[in-house]
Amino acid sequence: GAGVSQSPSNKVTEKGKDVELRCDPISGHTALYWYRQSLGQGLEFLIYFQGNSAPDKSGLPSDRFSAERTGGSVSTLTIQRTQQEDSAVYLCASSLGKGSGSPLHFGNGTRLTVT
Amino acid sequence: AQSVTQPDIHITVSEGASLELRCNYSYGATPYLFWYVQSPGQGLQLLLKYFSGDTLVQGIKGFEAEFKRSQSSFNLRKPSVHWSDAAEYFCAVGPSGAGSYQLTFGKGTKLSVIP
Repeated sequence: GAGVSQSPSNKVTEKGKDVELRCDPISGHTALYWYRQSLGQGLEFLIYFQGNSAPDKSGLPSDRFSAERTGGSVSTLTIQRTQQEDSAVYLCASSLGKGSGSPLHFGNGTRLTVT
Repeated sequence: AQSVTQPDIHITVSEGASLELRCNYSYGATPYLFWYVQSPGQGLQLLLKYFSGDTLVQGIKGFEAEFKRSQSSFNLRKPSVHWSDAAEYFCAVGPSGAGSYQLTFGKGTKLSVIP
């Protein structure tokens, strides 16, 4: 079946512009995560959605970052007034159930470059 | 707070040689433990996971990992490496409590394979 789909795969933007990154999770997966992967830094948790519950936004690095998930499916991560330090690969993952015991299925990521 | 350390940033092995990638974690109880692999330009793929029981777990692609509570380690091994195993490998730890979901990832070990 289809995996997690992210778009665009690459995005180059100028400093100060807003960007939107999209994630289509696997159908039926109730949990959705966004991570940021910077060079040599591993994966940094950004935000977690589970069903209709309020998202855990504790990992968002600043108020320039926001995310929403519409209809329990597609999610959009928005970065306003981008800065050069926002350059990274943004990974989306979904899982079937609650809890860290439910393995994550990752998309291929969006590589964001802020010039 | 939970943490994961992968001491080796980059490892190079010859094709056919054995492989061991190290992972140490810090967590107050027995966590869920994972190894993920990331090929260039791809998302992360689950190799194997440990929840409880037998401390030696088998995964895909001929990989195995052993949980050693006394050493807080979860090292990944493969008896004979193939060129296609060249990738970046991430160890992750997650809380085992109900409703807990946030994984902590190590910074990764990049594996190069010499033909």
